[in-house]
Amino acid sequence: EPEVTQTPSHQVTQMGQEVILHCVPISNHLYFYWYRQILGQKVEFLVSFYNNEISEKSEIFDDQFSVERPDGSNFTLKIRSTKLEDSAMYFCASGDRGETQYFGPGTRLLVL
Amino acid sequence: GIQVEQSPPDLILQEGANSTLRCNFSDSVNNLQWFHQNPWGQLINLFYIPSGTKQNGRLSATTVATERYSLLYISSSQTTDSGVYFCAVPRSSNTGKLIFGQGTTLQVKP
Repeated sequence: EPEVTQTPSHQVTQMGQEVILHCVPISNHLYFYWYRQILGQKVEFLVSFYNNEISEKSEIFDDQFSVERPDGSNFTLKIRSTKLEDSAMYFCASGDRGETQYFGPGTRLLVL
Repeated sequence: GIQVEQSPPDLILQEGANSTLRCNFSDSVNNLQWFHQNPWGQLINLFYIPSGTKQNGRLSATTVATERYSLLYISSSQTTDSGVYFCAVPRSSNTGKLIFGQGTTLQVKP
């Protein structure tokens, strides 16, 4: 069964550093998403991506964040200058509008 | 925006017991997903259930869209069922972004 994959599984970084989180969505899906979950809290929507552009973003997704689909398979989330409060689990998901979204295993980011 | 509320927030069961988790939502939806977050943090799809009832092994789910709630049933619970259960509904006709509830934390004791 096709699945969403994410790398790395864990990332530790220093405050102020840039990080790039990688995702490979399911190949025939058209919609791609990033969500995050701060420890002990619920999962929050960050951004959706369709037709090679951002289709919606949340208030959390400020200028420090960006997304790219550099080729036909990868989907990346970049945090330009990490802050302590960016520490969270980041989930990539893919799907078709209105249908099931499939989530990757997540990248646990720790900012020191 | 839409509110998604889950109950109970915490649940402790003995192995073999049955349980019902509830998800209420404040506006009409055309989809609903149930997830299990395992101890490693992974979100596992359980059900995509916009309406009606579905069953998968010991788990089943029912969504009554007209009354804005969904139920997740776990029968003959096992220790591996422990974790957090989330329901989520899409909120945007254009993007389908999911709005998650706060989750129900289930602990199944041997």
